[in-house]
Amino acid sequence: AQSVTQPDIHITVSEGASLELRCNYSYGATPYLFWYVQSPGQGLQLLLKYFSGDTLVQGIKGFEAEFKRSQSSFNLRKPSVHWSDAAEYFCALLYGNKLVFGAGTILRVKS
Amino acid sequence: DAGVIQSPRHEVTEMGQEVTLRCKPISGHNSLFWYRQTMMRGLELLIYFNNNVPIDDSGMPEDRFSAKMPNASFSTLKIQPSEPRDSAVYFCASSTYQALRANTGELFFGEGSRLTVL
Repeated sequence: AQSVTQPDIHITVSEGASLELRCNYSYGATPYLFWYVQSPGQGLQLLLKYFSGDTLVQGIKGFEAEFKRSQSSFNLRKPSVHWSDAAEYFCALLYGNKLVFGAGTILRVKS
Repeated sequence: DAGVIQSPRHEVTEMGQEVTLRCKPISGHNSLFWYRQTMMRGLELLIYFNNNVPIDDSGMPEDRFSAKMPNASFSTLKIQPSEPRDSAVYFCASSTYQALRANTGELFFGEGSRLTVL
């Protein structure tokens, strides 16, 4: 079955440190993958998306993600985290014209 | 350019009451999705429409839930009667069916309706 797994429920990083949020997917065909961010009390905002082409995808707010087919992964990265990046991050897979979301990873940023 | 508009933003009601949540998708979008977000279950797709027609309602939890899309610019999600376990944030999202099929689109989300059933 199609699914998205985000192994980390919470991650805490220091401001200025690098960040990597993990995402693994299960899908039989070429996946169409997304990362969304949700700030408290807000809706979901698209950070980046991948379908084909370059496996390293650049997004907004300095985020990037790398698609690795051999590992069924689509990890999100940022070289230097800012306090304003504290939010919940969702990885998602497009399947049958609908998005299937992972459980989310809550990012805490400490100063 | 207006995004997806949901109302009300917050709703507090008592068990047994009818609740109606509303959504106005982005103009020109022809796919509309209703999601529910809870701590326990995360983001769940309840139902989605293409060209105002319900395509997949397998995520609707019970007969107490119903959704309609009478025209391209308006959708409702109704819960009757409401129960405390329905407390959640309900999101509406819209997109273009053709773009999703071509794997070039994305979902645009509203800010959600936070429902509390006492």
